[in-house]
Amino acid sequence: DIQMTQSPSSLSASVGDRVTITCRASQGISKYLAWFQQKPGIVPKLLIYAASTLQSGVPSRFSGSGSGTDFTLTISSLQPEDVATYYCQDYSGGPRTFGQGTKVEIK
Amino acid sequence: EVQLVESGGGLVQPGGSLRLSCEASGFSFSRHSMSWVRQAPGRGLEWVADIIRDGSEKYYVDSVRGRFTISRDNAKNALYLQMNALTVEDTAVYYCAKDWGGPDLPLFECWGQGILVTVSS
Repeated sequence: DIQMTQSPSSLSASVGDRVTITCRASQGISKYLAWFQQKPGIVPKLLIYAASTLQSGVPSRFSGSGSGTDFTLTISSLQPEDVATYYCQDYSGGPRTFGQGTKVEIK
Repeated sequence: EVQLVESGGGLVQPGGSLRLSCEASGFSFSRHSMSWVRQAPGRGLEWVADIIRDGSEKYYVDSVRGRFTISRDNAKNALYLQMNALTVEDTAVYYCAKDWGGPDLPLFECWGQGILVTVSS
């Protein structure tokens, strides 16, 4: 099965900072990658699918890039409401494996 | 409005069984794969199982294969997860989620509210 590895596992940044989270697949998955945001006690929210397509209603400060094995989620200007844990997910095959998550906090 | 509503959770002893249900509405259920995802207390998201549109293909995470069975009834717009031989490691909130509906379409954009399964003696 494909393994998804996110880095870092946590980060702390200031409001307005540019934040980048990376996700690496153990084998090529083309562009079959999604990113989710989860706040404590809340259902996960889809941010990006197909590696770079922004889900409807998601602020444009979120963007995704990459293909094959290496992907990134970027928050161009971190806002207080972006405090959450972010997950990548492979959907290239039957299994839909998630990364282990990246916790984002405000410095 | 797209809705997914889980039911059937609760407290069960180790070795016991439980059947989760997920009722779907607001979209063409039979045109989408469906998934179960779980989250143990304080842990990350773990995909558990998925089933394609007509139910002919099913996939499982290694830790539940042989113990859990995913199924669906397209006539009832319902998804199920039969969980047998439960262990304490299966304790989690279980979510059903709307999965693949075709190329260039979002997936996992709709989740149920989640239902708690607690395995404990």
